[in-house]
Amino acid sequence: DAKTTQPTSMDCAEGRAANLPCNHSTISGNEYVYWYRQIHSQGPQYIIHGLKNNETNEMASLIITEDRKSSTLILPHATLRDTAVYYCIVSYSNSGYALNFGKGTSLLVTP
Amino acid sequence: GAVVSQHPSRVICKSGTSVKIECRSLDFQATTMFWYRQFPKQSLMLMATSNEGSKATYEQGVEKDKFLINHASLTLSTLTVTSAHPEDSSFYICSAETGSRLGEQYFGPGTRLTVT
Repeated sequence: DAKTTQPTSMDCAEGRAANLPCNHSTISGNEYVYWYRQIHSQGPQYIIHGLKNNETNEMASLIITEDRKSSTLILPHATLRDTAVYYCIVSYSNSGYALNFGKGTSLLVTP
Repeated sequence: GAVVSQHPSRVICKSGTSVKIECRSLDFQATTMFWYRQFPKQSLMLMATSNEGSKATYEQGVEKDKFLINHASLTLSTLTVTSAHPEDSSFYICSAETGSRLGEQYFGPGTRLTVT
């Protein structure tokens, strides 16, 4: 079973920030939080990952709570092309660990 | 960088025939590749982990004699669906890890298999 819990779906207006929450209360000390997204009928796309500290890259920001039991992916200015299923995954960073995809959050960005 | 390709992108075959799907890392060497399957409106399910030069490790419930995986080089892994049946119709996706960037996997665009 997936070790994360995400809302099934969310809506966001174009141009606004999309905040996608994820609960991972059983995360272990050396597991990372990864975010991927899948646009319809395409392969998943890596977005961002983090261990403890907040992270930011050109796509998104990742905010991890101090107890590491939850996190939030932030898309600062959502566009229609951000409509996708977003997966929050906890996994080890070592080589050879597959990703355990849960059901994800279906994000719909509306005009 | 870190591009993964799959071929073919779409294939239709008759029941009982075999189909080979290729997964290539185009600009990096991948010691480990993964094969996933995704049915409509469902999430990705891991089928097997493929390491270059060794036998693949299959997930429980995945028939290794039906889904043959070969990882002959650091840039190529193949999945052969043998004696395909309509229930094997699915979206097959591979991923590869570079080994240098912690835990990041790069996914191919997927192969849509339809068995008639």
